Amino acid sequence: IVLTQSPGTLSLSPGDRATLSCRASQSVSSNYLAWYQQKPGQAPRLLIYGASSRATGIPDRFSGSGSGTDFTLTISKLEPEDFAVYYCQQYGRSITFGQGTRVDIE
Amino acid sequence: QVQLVQSGAEVKKPGASVKVSCKASGYRFTNYYIHWVRQAPGQGFEWVGVINPSSGTISYAQELQGRVTMTRDTSTTTVYMELSSLRSEDTAMYYCGRTIVGSTHAFAIWGQGTMLTVSS
Repeated sequence: IVLTQSPGTLSLSPGDRATLSCRASQSVSSNYLAWYQQKPGQAPRLLIYGASSRATGIPDRFSGSGSGTDFTLTISKLEPEDFAVYYCQQYGRSITFGQGTRVDIE
Repeated sequence: QVQLVQSGAEVKKPGASVKVSCKASGYRFTNYYIHWVRQAPGQGFEWVGVINPSSGTISYAQELQGRVTMTRDTSTTTVYMELSSLRSEDTAMYYCGRTIVGSTHAFAIWGQGTMLTVSS
């Protein structure tokens, strides 16, 4: 399953709402889709799994939605520490990742 | 605390092999799958494979079949990933990751990464 993330880069300001898209080439079974945040020089951090369940310790400004082939990660109000690269991953059929969306400070 | 600690950076010549370790602690080792993924410099992630530490069952990415071997040692709660016939394209950061819940294959815990450089 190929995952295509859009946009490639999102330039926003602290306090803005961020909407990131992840589209799958075929339906993701049981909504087995996760979102990760990665900062330079660090391992990724799990934000969302099962399309909409927040991982332990993740602030509620992060939310996931979607089903089938279209999924969205929303950050309701960007904090300075949220500027990073975000990846989606499906685990319904083998494991594949999207190419990432960079959220930059405008 | 729950953590995965990986072995250190490696520099290898083309054609050589490398074995990277991932030591788990802070949880019951046999209750969670361990995956390996890699990230080439400035790139996204590529899945390498997965091992079930309880049964030893393994699945590898098709592209790496024949060159990758994963093993586990339950006595030391360590998983190993060996990659042979190394090529320059294998240069990447290699991460191990633990599933969030049993066989739900989102990675809640990650190792710190092991940088592999393949160069003549």
